[in-house]
Amino acid sequence: DAKTTQPPSMDCAEGRAANLPCNHSTISGNEYVYWYRQIHSQGPQYIIHGLKNNETNEMASLIITEDRKSSTLILPHATLRDTAVYYCIVRVVTSGSRLTFGEGTQLTVNP
Amino acid sequence: KAGVTQTPRYLIKTRGQQVTLSCSPISGHRSVSWYQQTPGQGLQFLFEYFSETQRNKGNFPGRFSGRQFSNSRSEMNVSTLELGDSALYLCASSLWGVLNTEAFFGQGTRLTVV
Repeated sequence: DAKTTQPPSMDCAEGRAANLPCNHSTISGNEYVYWYRQIHSQGPQYIIHGLKNNETNEMASLIITEDRKSSTLILPHATLRDTAVYYCIVRVVTSGSRLTFGEGTQLTVNP
Repeated sequence: KAGVTQTPRYLIKTRGQQVTLSCSPISGHRSVSWYQQTPGQGLQFLFEYFSETQRNKGNFPGRFSGRQFSNSRSEMNVSTLELGDSALYLCASSLWGVLNTEAFFGQGTRLTVV
């Protein structure tokens, strides 16, 4: 799985959009970008994933650059409950439930 | 539908003992993976099982082992416990082999070795 680089921490005001960047310059053509988050002491939670097109679901939007070397996770209206560590993971979809976690980004949403 | 269930939630063991942790995946999921999370090393992959066979293995010593039953439930065993084995052990299940699927995690078992 390709290596990813994320900022160690970010802050966001409640109600504002949180934009979390991720660099994955060595991504291969068959690797997807996945985002998970982990709220303190809980199991990681799936957020969204994509290959090359932008994706949106009820939780977030994923913007992938045209060259696929970076992506941004967008939480449109951050709440205090969104405070968590966010992990960007690049993986081949047929690798089952094996995930390679990096350090992630600690997002703190402030009131 | 029910999520991934891990038991027990908390466990305290003494150095040298062994421990068995259990994971029940989401119904219909055939892939189960185990992870260890510590403050120093973060989330690390232990191993993955699919259809009762180990498919992938991380870089952990042989003291860490697992198995999967015909109903996809999985157990993880750690023998000769060391203080450094204190961690949150997480299990994840997924529909392996199906494109565009995500892994669902349980709440974990927090193991403390004293």
